[in-house]
Amino acid sequence: DIQMTQSPSSLSASVGDRVTITCRASQSISKYLNWYQQKPGRAPTLLIYAASSLQSGVPSRFSGSGSGTDFTLTISSLQPEDFATYYCQQSYTTRTFGQGTKVEIK
Amino acid sequence: QVQLVQSGAEMKKPGASVKIFCKASGYTFTDYYIHWVRQAPGQGLEWMGWINPNNGGTDFAQKSQGRVTMTRDTSISTAYMELSRLTSDDTAVYYCAREFGGYFHDSSASYYVGSFGYWGQGTLVTVSS
Repeated sequence: DIQMTQSPSSLSASVGDRVTITCRASQSISKYLNWYQQKPGRAPTLLIYAASSLQSGVPSRFSGSGSGTDFTLTISSLQPEDFATYYCQQSYTTRTFGQGTKVEIK
Repeated sequence: QVQLVQSGAEMKKPGASVKIFCKASGYTFTDYYIHWVRQAPGQGLEWMGWINPNNGGTDFAQKSQGRVTMTRDTSISTAYMELSRLTSDDTAVYYCAREFGGYFHDSSASYYVGSFGYWGQGTLVTVSS
């Protein structure tokens, strides 16, 4: 199975900060990489698919980049509603998730 | 609009089985795979497997194989996930999710990337003696 490793596991940031989350695959997955946001008690929602495509309705402050084994999710200016846990997920083979990155208020 | 509505919370004893349903609406049920993802308390997301509602074909995560069954009833646009021989480690929220397909392109081709574009509300399964 392909392992997905996110870093950091958690971070503290302030409203307006630029936030970057990294996801590394244990082998090359081209651009078969998606990002999700999950708020407490809620189902996840799809933010980014195919590494860099913004899902419809998702604010443009979210962006994704990368290919191969290294990927990033960037929030250009953190908003109060962005405090949540973020997961990467690969679709190159049977699906696996990263362990998550919790974004907390500083 | 696409909606996935799941069955309610379940409490089971160790060794028992649980069967959860996921009723789809707002799209043609047989056009998209349904996936099952679970989340133990305070933990991350774990993909369990998928079912192709068109032909009933399935694929499972290695960890799920042997204990999980995924079925569907196309007449009522509903997918089912049954997990047997429950232990306390199976205590989790179980989500169904509908496949969403996106593409990336290079100079020679386009490539389909599956994701989980629509989610049910989740079903809490508690396993306790």
